[in-house]
Amino acid sequence: EADIYQTPRYLVIGTGKKITLECSQTMGHDKMYWYQQDPGMELHLIHYSYGVNSTEKGDLSSESTVSRIRTEHFPLTLESARPSHTSQYLCASRGTGLNEKLFFGSGTQLSVL
Amino acid sequence: SQQGEEDPQALSIQEGENATMNCSYKTSINNLQWYRQNSGRGLVHLILIRSNEREKHSGRLRVTLDTSKKSSSLLITASRAADTASYFCATDGAGSARQLTFGSGTQLTVLP
Repeated sequence: EADIYQTPRYLVIGTGKKITLECSQTMGHDKMYWYQQDPGMELHLIHYSYGVNSTEKGDLSSESTVSRIRTEHFPLTLESARPSHTSQYLCASRGTGLNEKLFFGSGTQLSVL
Repeated sequence: SQQGEEDPQALSIQEGENATMNCSYKTSINNLQWYRQNSGRGLVHLILIRSNEREKHSGRLRVTLDTSKKSSSLLITASRAADTASYFCATDGAGSARQLTFGSGTQLTVLP
């Protein structure tokens, strides 16, 4: 059972709102990731972090931002949501060993009206 | 850029039959991993195969890796309706850019 949690599970908001998607893990993992996934499609890496105060943009350009002030917490923020941001957002973490698997949260399904 | 390509995109079989999914990738890897995703949920890790391994088993799962062809396959034997899900391969890049890059996935439907 993965000890990584995402809230909220579902979020429906209006255009222009600021939102924060929460992600927390209790496994002490240094590496954390945010993926964006449209229904039935592949996952796209949008942000990652290799430790506290370390954040990098992923392969897919995103208007969202992230922070990593504590090891266990990796929130994602959209300053002004738009309908094009409607998607599923998946948070994941893993250890720093050579052959480590990813642990995923249950995801946040975001709908921007 | 998309590292992994999977085929078929969708597969529908009867319960009890075997299901085979294939994954191709482009660059050098440290390992290749397979994940399962139920609709609207996060992914769950199934099995990892290292670049120096050719075959690995876990329960009803069998994974092969051919680094010369840059391809892998996932075989699920004696499938069950509960195996219905999307299956993704993910490559763990060699070198400094060690991030998991996911394929496009195979949607497996097992009919009772």
